[in-house]
Amino acid sequence: AQTVTQSQPEMSVQEAETVTLSCTYDTSESDYYLFWYKQPPSRQMILVIRQEAYKQQNATENRFSVNFQKAAKSFSLKISDSQLGDAAMYFCAYREGYSGGSNYKLTFGKGTLLTVNP
Amino acid sequence: DGGITQSPKYLFRKEGQNVTLSCEQNLNHDAMYWYRQDPGQGLRLIYYSHIVNDFQKGDIAEGYSVSREKKESFPLTVTSAQKNPTAFYLCASSIYGTGGTEAFFGQGTRLTVV
Repeated sequence: AQTVTQSQPEMSVQEAETVTLSCTYDTSESDYYLFWYKQPPSRQMILVIRQEAYKQQNATENRFSVNFQKAAKSFSLKISDSQLGDAAMYFCAYREGYSGGSNYKLTFGKGTLLTVNP
Repeated sequence: DGGITQSPKYLFRKEGQNVTLSCEQNLNHDAMYWYRQDPGQGLRLIYYSHIVNDFQKGDIAEGYSVSREKKESFPLTVTSAQKNPTAFYLCASSIYGTGGTEAFFGQGTRLTVV
């Protein structure tokens, strides 16, 4: 079974600084997708960034970027120029690629609570 | 606007009662999911469905039941067999067949046993 591990229950960063959230996963599949979701105090889940395993290039969305290390099964999220609005719980998630018969589960880690200090 | 609607936002259940949480989507998504969120536990998958009239158990299905009679709807029933139902429940949906498509989430239902 696929598992997703976030080893940092809590992190803090100063406003305008950079922070990196860690995520590792375990899978025997070669085709899969990885996601980072943000859950602010409103509890609405918001997609931050996605990465396809077959792509070697790391995904980037404005101030958010990932460091995808497929061999190490690592998928960290870097937030640059942190803003107060970035304070939230961040979840790493894994999904198998579509193969007709795949179970298509979307598996989450336990989350990292990010605090941004002014 | 397209999206996922969960209702109610807050739900109170007495011991021994079954309660049903509603989840409706108008995104034309085939796949729908139910997750339970507890402090420090992340999101744990209860049930998921890829197509009407078919669904699979997730990691913590005991004490829960679902149905998928319509593409748009995936209600979750928390039965009296669920010993610790107090939690935050999230419903999600996604396109089935393209793994890179993200899941879209509802705003959640907070269930409390009183």
